Amino acid sequence: GESVGLHLPTLSVQEGDNSIINCAYSNSASDYFIWYKQESGKGPQFIIDIRSNMDKRQGQRVTVLLNKTVKHLSLQIAATQPGDSAVYFCAENRSPGANSKLTFGKGITLSVRP
Amino acid sequence: GAVVSQHPSRVICKSGTSVKIECRSLDFQATTMFWYRQFPKQSLMLMATSNEGSKATYEQGVEKDKFLINHASLTLSTLTVTSAHPEDSSFYICSASLGTPRDLASYEQYFGPGTRLTVT
Repeated sequence: GESVGLHLPTLSVQEGDNSIINCAYSNSASDYFIWYKQESGKGPQFIIDIRSNMDKRQGQRVTVLLNKTVKHLSLQIAATQPGDSAVYFCAENRSPGANSKLTFGKGITLSVRP
Repeated sequence: GAVVSQHPSRVICKSGTSVKIECRSLDFQATTMFWYRQFPKQSLMLMATSNEGSKATYEQGVEKDKFLINHASLTLSTLTVTSAHPEDSSFYICSASLGTPRDLASYEQYFGPGTRLTVT
């Protein structure tokens, strides 16, 4: 069935290195994608979003890349810091124009080593 | 801006009782609010979509008579877990969005801090 999934359940990186978190989606009709960060015991926090008419978008220390050909989304975090340690979720809107529901991927834990 | 609050943050209740969780958009009017539940080390699962002044739309498999949702105003939605059982113990999270489904700008959801429900 259709799903939004993540390739790896955990990612461990050295402080200062760049992190890349990947996400696969299967609905070619999805037109909006978003990355959230969730710290333990808290609600998800917006990181960055991208629409299907774009293939790259940059924020502060973060970049989201969208490859519609292979239905792949990635989040790049530059100079990873201990405060980046959290669970990261990708989400997509699968029904553009019909509703604003988001479907969340499974989540990946980012662990930053000091 | 775009702050969403939830109350309570934690609640412990006895099996068979009902619990109400409030979700408020503090500095904006939310056309749509969403309720999710999240089990440990799992993703967010959408329970229902709530539009102000209308009945909530529940996802498949979610019992609408057990999880009562009221969206009485553009800044408040409530989720009531009726006749709670231990298997209802979970982290409940609400979110709110600004616009209408046809407005792409509305797709971003602002999340509350979550409510940890423990049913004993």
